[in-house]
Amino acid sequence: GAVVSQHPSRVICKSGTSVKIECRSLDFQATTMFWYRQFPKQSLMLMATSNEGSKATYEQGVEKDKFLINHASLTLSTLTVTSAHPEDSSFYICSARVGREAGELFFGEGSRLTVL
Amino acid sequence: GQNIDQPTEMTATEGAIVQINCTYQTSGFNGLFWYQQHAGEAPTFLSYNVLDGLEEKGRFSSFLSRSKGYSYLLLKELQMKDSASYLCAGMDSNYQLIWGAGTKLIIKP
Repeated sequence: GAVVSQHPSRVICKSGTSVKIECRSLDFQATTMFWYRQFPKQSLMLMATSNEGSKATYEQGVEKDKFLINHASLTLSTLTVTSAHPEDSSFYICSARVGREAGELFFGEGSRLTVL
Repeated sequence: GQNIDQPTEMTATEGAIVQINCTYQTSGFNGLFWYQQHAGEAPTFLSYNVLDGLEEKGRFSSFLSRSKGYSYLLLKELQMKDSASYLCAGMDSNYQLIWGAGTKLIIKP
């Protein structure tokens, strides 16, 4: 199957700093990538849908100025958590799919963010 | 509104069979997915059903009834490594996935 790589897998930062997470589709072009957040023992929460060459579509309640998403190419989307605070500590996961109507999502390995 | 319901937690014995149920309500329907997620890891795809009936894939099978808005994931010959959360997700008419909260499956020796 298709491979999605996410980096870094773990990051610890101080409160107030910004953290960038990269999501790459390694062997296919992903016109659409999805960013999820998952708190312990909870399901995936869709944060935003990232479309190559256009602005991301954010879900209700997700601050677009805090969670900056850039999808500059067909193989790379980035999520930047700006001015991170301890409550932003979570597991962030990206995913991509091949084609709009394709159902199978290919997930990155996830990034665990800890804000001190 | 759109909603996916599945049990929060289930316990089963190694070597046995377990069925995880999922009911869904989506705006339009383009399929039902099951994903497996081990603790601290990203989800991995298990199955996709868009037509009624049973799809078998090794020890795992998935069933769909569109008229009832119901699906189940059947795991046979349970192994300890099957301990994980199982996520049910429905795809709506806009091809967006609506996720359930996941069922944590605990396998006991």
